[in-house]
Parts: sequence; C-alpha cells; structure tokens
Amino acid sequence: NAGVTQTPKFQVLKTGQSMTLQCAQDMNHEYMSWYRQDPGMGLRLIHYSVGAGITDQGEVPNGYNVSRSTTEDFPLRLLSAAPSQTSVYFCASRLTGVNTEAFFGQGTRLTVV
Amino acid sequence: ILNVEQSPQSLHVQEGDSTNFTCSFPSSNFYALHWYRWETAKSPEALFVMTLNGDEKKKGRISATLNTKEGYSYLYIKGSQPEDSATYLCAFPNAGNMLTFGGGTRLMVKP
Repeated sequence: NAGVTQTPKFQVLKTGQSMTLQCAQDMNHEYMSWYRQDPGMGLRLIHYSVGAGITDQGEVPNGYNVSRSTTEDFPLRLLSAAPSQTSVYFCASRLTGVNTEAFFGQGTRLTVV
Repeated sequence: ILNVEQSPQSLHVQEGDSTNFTCSFPSSNFYALHWYRWETAKSPEALFVMTLNGDEKKKGRISATLNTKEGYSYLYIKGSQPEDSATYLCAFPNAGNMLTFGGGTRLMVKP
C-alpha cells in the first residue's frame, strides 16, 4: 500500500528559486493538506483542498501556491524561495468526516540558503 | 485560528514510569479530537480519534480520555518504555474539517 507519497525527501534551494513539492495519495481521500513544521511550533496549515478543483488557504499561505486538478495529486509550489521557508513540510490526506484520521507523507526537509 | 494547546512541551521520564499530558481545545463547537504519535525521522501516525464526551480509548499501554464540556483531553502512558519516546500531537478539526494541531509534547524515556 503506497498511502501518501511525498517527494522529494530533501531539497536545498537558493533564495529566489522556485520549486514544487509533490504529493500523491492512492486512498481516494477527498481532503488533502500541506503543513509546515518548525521547531517549537507544531504543524501549521499552509493550504488545503476538500476535493478536486477546490483549494483554500490555511494559517500560513503566503509564498505558496497549490492546485488540485485530480483527487490523487496536491502539489505545493514555492514561488520565490526565502530563508523563512526553511522548514519540514508534510502532506496529509483524509476521508470526509471529522472523525477520520489523517495519513501523512514522509516529509520534505527544505533548506533555503 | 483555533487555540489548541498542549502541556508540557517536553517530558523526561525513566523507563517504567507512568506519565500523562494534556491537550486543551475550544469547548464550543466540538467535532472531534485526534491524537497522533510522531517518532523522530518518521511521519505522524494516528493513535486515537475521539468524538464523545467521557470517551476513553486504549491501545496497549496508551490510553486517552476526553472532556468536551471543559475542553481537554489527557493521554496516559503506563509503564513507559524507551520505544515510547516520541512527540505526541493532538489535533482539533474546525467547521471546515481541517485539523489544527497543538504544539506537541515531546516525551523522552530513559532506559
């Protein structure tokens, strides 16, 4: 079972560069989301999607774009990387319903120099 | 932004000790409360999803209780083992069903 597949695992970018973090799930989950994890701050929501064609902003959306053209894929784009975006990023997916657990990808450790 | 708080931030215990930590969440508009276990260099994994006031869940040596009226949940670990060392996260879904996570409690169990 693949579950949630997130790539790459590690990435170093120069300030101003752009890149896309890929996230795919094979569980037919409607909900997908991107979080960033910084020391002492837990997981903070960047963007989320409740289904194909529908996306919305989370707590910390600035500097990131998302799209959801299919149920399976939910890429996160960094438009112009900044050192403040150095973080660990997690993609997660869930079924509809408040009592459904989230499944997480393996995480991407991004460093912007 | 929902206010979900966890305490303590970190905890050091000896092997065999029992321990517990707290998650506080808004008591109004309660939908569910999630607990996740997050080991270093791995991804968070769900432990429990709790929906009813007074609910109590158990998985091995780990159990959790829920008080929706006062807005808190306790996670208990009985007889801590080194493999229990991890960060424990709670999460609270909002009206749009997106999860807001607490800052986590980092547990370190010394052999």
